[in-house]
Amino acid sequence: DAKTTQPNSMESNEEEPVHLPCNHSTISGTDYIHWYRQLPSQGPEYVIHGLTSNVNNRMASLAIAEDRKSSTLILHRATLRDAAVYYCILFWKGGSEKLVFGKGTKLTVNP
Amino acid sequence: DAGITQSPRHKVTETGTPVTLRCHQTENHRYMYWYRQDPGHGLRLIHYSYGVKDTDKGEVSDGYSVSRSKTEDFLLTLESATSSQTSVYFCAITEPTGNYGYTFGSGTRLTVV
Repeated sequence: DAKTTQPNSMESNEEEPVHLPCNHSTISGTDYIHWYRQLPSQGPEYVIHGLTSNVNNRMASLAIAEDRKSSTLILHRATLRDAAVYYCILFWKGGSEKLVFGKGTKLTVNP
Repeated sequence: DAGITQSPRHKVTETGTPVTLRCHQTENHRYMYWYRQDPGHGLRLIHYSYGVKDTDKGEVSDGYSVSRSKTEDFLLTLESATSSQTSVYFCAITEPTGNYGYTFGSGTRLTVV
């Protein structure tokens, strides 16, 4: 499975935008970029995914570099409820269909 | 979360006893997964299923077995529980033909004493 690299932790202030980076230099053409987050004492939660183009949904935006070797999850206005561990995962749809989790980025949101 | 439930939510058991955890879904998704989460190791895949009676091993399958006799239920069995299997267990579902991600259950906290 192709690997991703994320910072161990990041901090943000409430109501400010947050940009969570992810490097995936060995990504293949068939790998989707998925983001999940895990709030304390809960199961992981799907956030967003994309292949080549930037994506938006009600939770976040995903910006994918033109060469696809990196991506950024954007939370437009962080709230205290966004404090979680965020996982960037490469997912080969049509293959094994297995999510392989790394250590993720622990986001702290300050009031 | 609606559509996927895990039972029990908490369980304490003794070393050497068999334990079965249940994952139940109402989404009719074909794919189901069992993960465990431990401090320092993150989430690791134990077993997964691509359909009824179609299961396979993940990266940490030793000491675990699974069964899927119905689309909606995926059972994880610890044949003889050990203290190293103390963990939080998460079930997940997905439908490969959909444009969705995985949906995870709320987890089962298992303590083996």
